[in-house]
Amino acid sequence: EVQLVESGGDLVQPGGSLRLSCSASGFNFRSYAMHWVRQAPGKGLEYVSTIYTTGGDTEYADSVKGRFTISRDNSKNTLYLQMSTLRADDTAVYYCVKGTVGRIMITFNSWGQGTLVTVSS
Amino acid sequence: QLVLTQSPSASASLGASVKLTCTLSSGHNNYAIAWLQQQPEKGPRYLMKVNSDGSHTKGDGIPDRFSGSTSGAERYLVISSLQSEDEADYYCQTWGTDFGVFGGGTTGFGVFGGGTKLTVL
Repeated sequence: EVQLVESGGDLVQPGGSLRLSCSASGFNFRSYAMHWVRQAPGKGLEYVSTIYTTGGDTEYADSVKGRFTISRDNSKNTLYLQMSTLRADDTAVYYCVKGTVGRIMITFNSWGQGTLVTVSS
Repeated sequence: QLVLTQSPSASASLGASVKLTCTLSSGHNNYAIAWLQQQPEKGPRYLMKVNSDGSHTKGDGIPDRFSGSTSGAERYLVISSLQSEDEADYYCQTWGTDFGVFGGGTTGFGVFGGGTKLTVL
């Protein structure tokens, strides 16, 4: 059974930094691209970032480009999201997501329970 | 530009059937989409992938009451024999690819519809 467990969410001041982690199990982690998706309070789902299998290729939504960095450690089956220069509109539940194999027509088919990031002074 | 459009709300009676629609933007009729369910206070759950030919592949443990179909640019989620626990937000999701021009690399990105809030009367 696929399990994705996020951690690291916290209350942080505007301009601050935070690192989220996602521990993965139940599948061959190194064979799948991994993703972060967020959901602001009362809002819909928003794509954040993707890292492909080797970690060399990454994608970012325009809203986080230059401020967030996605990474992975395949030896630890762990996905990360380093967030810096945080703003109030980054406040959201952040989900770790496993998608389908490959780099085209990816569907997000396994989700973690989410971790809450609150940016406020 | 790749956009997924969903009606904000839908309602149907207990035991009845409901059809939710996700519409792909012009020029993207051949895209597959995924349907996700998000019950109150929970993370999203993958329901199924719906292809442009109308075929669909459900996630593990998804009841037979849930099915998918296609007509042109529209992707449908049909829920029959509605139960109270089907009251939830439903999102569609797909994957976009931008092919860089003048030697630029290919980039991918996730896309979500705005979600449909389903009320079971």
